[in-house]
Amino acid sequence: RKEVEQDPGPFNVPEGATVAFNCTYSNSASQSFFWYRQDCRKEPKLLMSVYSSGNEDGRFTAQLNRASQYISLLIRDSKLSDSATYLCVVREGGADGLTFGKGTHLIIQP
Amino acid sequence: NAGVTQTPKFRILKIGQSMTLQCAQDMNHNYMYWYRQDPGMGLKLIYYSVGAGITDKGEVPNGYNVSRSTTEDFPLRLELAAPSQTSVYFCASSYLPPRWLNEQFFGPGTRLTVL
Repeated sequence: RKEVEQDPGPFNVPEGATVAFNCTYSNSASQSFFWYRQDCRKEPKLLMSVYSSGNEDGRFTAQLNRASQYISLLIRDSKLSDSATYLCVVREGGADGLTFGKGTHLIIQP
Repeated sequence: NAGVTQTPKFRILKIGQSMTLQCAQDMNHNYMYWYRQDPGMGLKLIYYSVGAGITDKGEVPNGYNVSRSTTEDFPLRLELAAPSQTSVYFCASSYLPPRWLNEQFFGPGTRLTVL
């Protein structure tokens, strides 16, 4: 069974701090990886794709570890506006659909 | 561009009723998807389409049907609604398939309650 596992949190983090969370996936044939952000009662929106060599977009850094089958998201200098649920998303090899994790709830506190 | 639009925003159905959830996109995307999200759960793929006239089942297709007669529209049909279909339904579209690390754009969702 295909699984994408995330710690649901909530992670309560003071503004300005650095926070990181991981996501593990069960299917070693998974080939595409993404982080989506979902605000309360809103639709998911792409935060960043995750490349094999890791990638950075401003305060956000994503890493992929194929050997251990996990991806990570690091947020530096966290802002109040970063409060949201972060969804780990994986594409299984050969498929056009995506498998979503349940999400990690992040709360940035002033 | 309006992006991905969904109607209705909310709906309450009685058990056994039927309805169609509408989804439209104006980005000329070939790929369209229907997901459902239950409280505290991840999104699950119901059906998807790689172009007009082509649809395929996702992870949880039972109780649903789709059609794709145009590039723009991808309606989801619920026949004989059941309480287990109470959920938030999201439609999404993308220009390329996920294998190209391509972003999926989501509509605002339809909140459906079956009583």
